[in-house]
Amino acid sequence: GAVVSQHPSRVICKSGTSVKIECRSLDFQATTMFWYRQFPKKSLMLMATSNEGSKATYEQGVEKDKFLINHASLTLSTLTVTSAHPEDSSFYICSARQADQPQHFGDGTRLSIL
Amino acid sequence: GENVEQHPSTLSVQEGDSAVIKCTYSDSASNYFPWYKQELGKGPQLIIDIRSNVGEKKDQRIAVTLNKTAKHFSLHITETQPEDSAVYFCAAQAGGFKTIFGAGTRLFVKA
Repeated sequence: GAVVSQHPSRVICKSGTSVKIECRSLDFQATTMFWYRQFPKKSLMLMATSNEGSKATYEQGVEKDKFLINHASLTLSTLTVTSAHPEDSSFYICSARQADQPQHFGDGTRLSIL
Repeated sequence: GENVEQHPSTLSVQEGDSAVIKCTYSDSASNYFPWYKQELGKGPQLIIDIRSNVGEKKDQRIAVTLNKTAKHFSLHITETQPEDSAVYFCAAQAGGFKTIFGAGTRLFVKA
């Protein structure tokens, strides 16, 4: 089945640093990738949608300068949390979709900012 | 925009019993309805999906039903096992637009 790989699985870093999370579709070309944030015992909150080669579309309330998204190829998207602070600590999950096929998720990245 | 409501938020069943999770959606243009299972510390995994031209779909112990008129769709798990314990999310999607997720159902299967 379709596989989406997300790295790293866990990051612990100091306040003020920037953190990059990678999302790769291993066996299909992802025309669209999505980035979600999930709070404990809550549903998935869509942060942004990115199509290969174009700028990401951010959801209302998500700071695009804070959460930089790059979708440079059909198999790779990155999310960079810039100048991270403790309130950015969360579980971040990416997903990828090819055309109108089902969306497949990575295993998430648990980000902890000290 | 689309809104997906999911019930119940928590469901506890005895091993071997059936579990049913129900969702409703608001956008009549929605035509694709996936269900995801999320285990602790993992990303959601697609377990079954249904498109609007079908009323029911089954895959072993899992089945999904769709009532387009009432805008309801449900997940049915039969002969539940402890490893079915997880959080289940329903979702609805219209065309190539973004997928809207329900709030999730935490399923506990007691051995």
